[in-house]
Amino acid sequence: DAGVIQSPRHEVTEMGQEVTLRCKPISGHDYLFWYRQTMMRGLELLIYFNNNVPIDDSGMPEDRFSAKMPNASFSTLKIQPSEPRDSAVYFCASTRPGQGKTGELFFGEGSRLTVL
Amino acid sequence: LAKTTQPISMDSYEGQEVNITCSHNNIATNDYITWYQQFPSQGPRFIIQGYKTKVTNEVASLFIPADRKSSTLSLPRVSLSDTAVYYCLVGATYNQGGKLIFGQGTELSVKP
Repeated sequence: DAGVIQSPRHEVTEMGQEVTLRCKPISGHDYLFWYRQTMMRGLELLIYFNNNVPIDDSGMPEDRFSAKMPNASFSTLKIQPSEPRDSAVYFCASTRPGQGKTGELFFGEGSRLTVL
Repeated sequence: LAKTTQPISMDSYEGQEVNITCSHNNIATNDYITWYQQFPSQGPRFIIQGYKTKVTNEVASLFIPADRKSSTLSLPRVSLSDTAVYYCLVGATYNQGGKLIFGQGTELSVKP
């Protein structure tokens, strides 16, 4: 299996521009997670989906952030408009947990976003 | 959500056994304990998961006392390549409203 695939790996943009990050989870996994990592705040859970349905978006920082999962093999995280404080590494992860467990999260390589 | 506390950093030498302890005093009955490893510029990688007593795999061992208020990740005979950040997480299955929250982690530095 190719693992979780994220794109782009790196993005540099200017403040105010729209940013779209993409994720392809591992085939057969029914949970998908978006995390953000910065030096100051560590790894933060932004949102997660189960069977393409958003379950918990309480970690999404504000209305400028939105996430979608139109099908089982694709998810996007969009920031519009972007701000310098959004600069971070954004990770996508997927899993298919066993009964009663949280399962093994498989992370992508991340998308490093720099907003100037 | 159960909060976890672990040392911010640890130093070790090649060939030594390293034990990283995590406190989770308010762990819930349904919570599992999971450890992840993260290298610079990479996403976290699953190491081991357990509920009680001892779990061992090809990479590490996880020791969980009867009260489950703490857990210890044991890395046998570490090498330079084990230098990474190690995260302890507790959580229940997602369909019970659980979610995995990463704490600050323990930065392990292995020296020659």
